[in-house]
Amino acid sequence: DTAVSQTPKYLVTQMGNDKSIKCEQNLGHDTMYWYKQDSKKFLKIMFSYNNKELIINETVPNRFSPKSPDKAHLNLHINSLELGDSAVYFCASSQRRESETQYFGPGTRLLVL
Amino acid sequence: GDSVTQMEGPVTLSEEAFLTINCTYTATGYPSLFWYVQYPGEGLQLLLKATKADDKGSNKGFEATYRKETTSFHLEKGSVQVSDSAVYFCALSHYNAGNNRKLIWGLGTSLAVNP
Repeated sequence: DTAVSQTPKYLVTQMGNDKSIKCEQNLGHDTMYWYKQDSKKFLKIMFSYNNKELIINETVPNRFSPKSPDKAHLNLHINSLELGDSAVYFCASSQRRESETQYFGPGTRLLVL
Repeated sequence: GDSVTQMEGPVTLSEEAFLTINCTYTATGYPSLFWYVQYPGEGLQLLLKATKADDKGSNKGFEATYRKETTSFHLEKGSVQVSDSAVYFCALSHYNAGNNRKLIWGLGTSLAVNP
């Protein structure tokens, strides 16, 4: 009955690899987000999708590519991983693009060696 | 542009102490204001919010009042517990050029409560 779920919870990989993180929400929301949280807890929005349409695209390297197969899912693919990509990645959702309250997943802890 | 400034942590208190975490903002228009909490190893959860001036948000013994005259939204709790140990984020809600809501986040304040 988890509202926003992410897989995997932990991801350890080598520099240069390609990896994906998946997110699913069962709240019936139509807007989803990806955030990156660094080791100092600084939270930065990366992308947002509304009904499978990209609506927010912050200054993020193009090695990061979000994909939304339907409005309940938002995946994040990262190519050619770098050490600086090590962080916790959070998925979130909100009821509509105008909605203010966001619901967060538990996070995916990515460590690039 | 819009921004949120929070007091730096970490904040360390003894159980039952009074808590204040300061938050001030800069914004055009009339944003909504939020406090989110992140417990260790978890995602963020909405703690409370206020949508207009003089509104008071409250939840789990925490309170914050939207003060337009001082552009502040300070978080307070009268008596903290060990279970309140977490990172607290202040945020404001902002419309971007595409009329999409985006949250502008503070840097977070870590709170540790000792028994």
